[in-house]
Amino acid sequence: QVQLQESGPGLVKPSETLSLTCTVSGGSISSYYWSWIRQPAGKGLEWIGRMSTSGSTYYNPSLKSRVTMSIDMSKNQFSLKLSSVIAADTAIYYCARGAVASANWFDPWGQGTLVTVSS
Amino acid sequence: QSALTQPRSVSGSPGQSVTISCTGTSSDVGGYNYVSWYQQHPGKAPKVMIYDVSKRPSGVPDRFSGSKSGNTASLTISGLQAEDEADYYCCSFAGSLWVFGGGTELTVL
Repeated sequence: QVQLQESGPGLVKPSETLSLTCTVSGGSISSYYWSWIRQPAGKGLEWIGRMSTSGSTYYNPSLKSRVTMSIDMSKNQFSLKLSSVIAADTAIYYCARGAVASANWFDPWGQGTLVTVSS
Repeated sequence: QSALTQPRSVSGSPGQSVTISCTGTSSDVGGYNYVSWYQQHPGKAPKVMIYDVSKRPSGVPDRFSGSKSGNTASLTISGLQAEDEADYYCCSFAGSLWVFGGGTELTVL
């Protein structure tokens, strides 16, 4: 079965760029859509963005100016970059498969990785 | 785009039924039959329990059911069990983005 694993620095300084990678195992990254979702401690989920393996992207309008997603098909990985981070960007970041009209849900999810924004 | 509105908490005794509501607008919940529900236990990643308003993924007990009326979706859990105690989040497609609810903490008394 498909499994996802996030990786990246756990601490990022304010104003710098947060960079995370999600490695997909147990299946191909091709022909699916892939998303990033975050969750501040003790709070709800926030969808960050979604991209397809063809390169099309949807970003949350509230984060759009700071978000870039990319895919590396050769490594079965996709990535998130969030620029100019502030303390409010501190959260657990999840990668997930989905969503698309024919499968409009997120599944599976990675275990999540905590990113703290602090100097 | 605002988050969908869910009650902060609900509770029920084992064997009882509980319903969690998720209220949005005609731009999200009311506009599409693309509401999904996620269960999240402490320290764990969310798990999809319902998709497309009322469909259950393979492996999810039929005690979990979903419905929608207008701009409000609902998740009903019947025959409550101790392991159902968790946070539940609704999610809706909203045209070119996805919006989550604020989450509901379910306590099994």
